[in-house]
Amino acid sequence: KAGVTQTPRYLIKTRGQQVTLSCSPISGHRSVSWYQQTPGQGLQFLFEYFSETQRNKGNFPGRFSGRQFSNSRSEMNVSTLELGDSALYLCASSRQGPSMNTEAFFGQGTRLTVV
Amino acid sequence: GESVGLHLPTLSVQEGDNSIINCAYSNSASDYFIWYKQESGKGPQFIIDIRSNMDKRQGQRVTVLLNKTVKHLSLQIAATQPGDSAVYFCAENRDDKIIFGKGTRLHILP
Repeated sequence: KAGVTQTPRYLIKTRGQQVTLSCSPISGHRSVSWYQQTPGQGLQFLFEYFSETQRNKGNFPGRFSGRQFSNSRSEMNVSTLELGDSALYLCASSRQGPSMNTEAFFGQGTRLTVV
Repeated sequence: GESVGLHLPTLSVQEGDNSIINCAYSNSASDYFIWYKQESGKGPQFIIDIRSNMDKRQGQRVTVLLNKTVKHLSLQIAATQPGDSAVYFCAENRDDKIIFGKGTRLHILP
């Protein structure tokens, strides 16, 4: 079966702009979690969506937001981009999400560079 | 504390030897732990998981050990191969969030 698909793979944006990243989970998976990965901070949890509802949220400013559609596809948005937002953004899909300790599968990520 | 950490940022192992990657966690209430492998340019890949009611779990060439007394987790890779070269992360389910450690880079020496 198809894996987790993230688009686009690479993005270059200017400070102050906003960006939308997309994640298509594995068919049948209802949970999508988003992570930011940087060399200094490692993998940090952004938020998790399940059945179109945000179930959990990490410690990121309100500039980071997300949503999930009825087909479980998810988007995350970052507004007013800062240089420090440059990172690899990863999404992970699972059947039931962390609350049920089900295995999560990651996409290849979107590499965002803010200049 | 708020950390899931690894003791060593880099580990070099001779091809064919066994590798042991260690991880310390701080939240005694965590009940689920996972090891991920991340190769260059790819997302993390699930290797093996273990629940807190177990001490040991084995997969194909990998074994995870959990010591809840000292809050320590380890990943053992048998007969390490060049394809095992990657960054390895331990992660825990804390408050329904998967929290990752910083990672250990495994180098395979020929």
